[in-house]
Amino acid sequence: QVQLVQSGAEVKKAGASVKVSCKASGYTFTSTYDINWVRQATGQGLEWMGWMNPNSGDAGYAESFQGRVTMTRDTSISTAYMELSSLRSEDTAVYYCARGPQGTGATIDYWGQGTLVTVSS
Amino acid sequence: DIQMTQSPSSLSASVGDRVTITCRASQSISTYLNWYQQKPGKAPKLLIYAASSLQSGVPSRFSGSGSGTDFTLTISSLQPEDFATYYCQQSYTTRAFGPGTKVDIK
Repeated sequence: QVQLVQSGAEVKKAGASVKVSCKASGYTFTSTYDINWVRQATGQGLEWMGWMNPNSGDAGYAESFQGRVTMTRDTSISTAYMELSSLRSEDTAVYYCARGPQGTGATIDYWGQGTLVTVSS
Repeated sequence: DIQMTQSPSSLSASVGDRVTITCRASQSISTYLNWYQQKPGKAPKLLIYAASSLQSGVPSRFSGSGSGTDFTLTISSLQPEDFATYYCQQSYTTRAFGPGTKVDIK
C-alpha cells in the first residue's frame, strides 16, 4: 500500500531554516507521480506550496513561497525534501507531503501524516 | 496565479439537509477542479475530481458540477459523518486550494 512517512516535529527560531523529509513506499517513487507540499496553520485552510517531479527533479513553487522554498529528492532512498528558509512566526503550521499524478487535471491521492513546524521568536 | 474563492465560509445544517457549496476561480480553469473533505486532525480526502467525477468509494450523495469559473459541490442528504470542512482545488495550472467551507451541526 502507498505510504508517505514524514519526519518528526521541529522547533525553529525565527530566521532559521527547516528541512522536512517524506519517505515514499508502496509504489515506484520515480514513476508518473509528483510530490506536492501543502501546509496548514492551526485552525486555517490548506495552502499549496509547490510540486516536485521525483524522476527529473523539476519543481514548481507557489508565488508566495518563491525564493524561500526548495523541494528536492533522493531517489536512492525514495525520499522527498522540503526546505523553507527565513522562517517567521507565520510559518508555524503542519506541513504535509502528498502524492499526485503529474500533469494538468491531477488530483492528490495520498498524504503523509504531517509534520508540525513551530517557529519561535 | 489563479485565485480560488468559496462561499459560504461556513454553514450550519441538519442531518438530511441538502447542502450546496460554491467555488469560483479568478479565470477559466475548464473542468480542472477537485473537491476534498477534511476532518479535524486528519489529512484531506478526495471526493470529486474533474469537476463532476466521483472518486471511488465516495458515497453517491456527493456530486459536483460546473466548468469555466463557477463550480458547486452538493451533498444531497447530509449525514452525521459529513460534518467537516470542504475545499476546492484547481489543477489547471498550480494546485491552489480555496479557503474552505466549514459545515457544522445546526
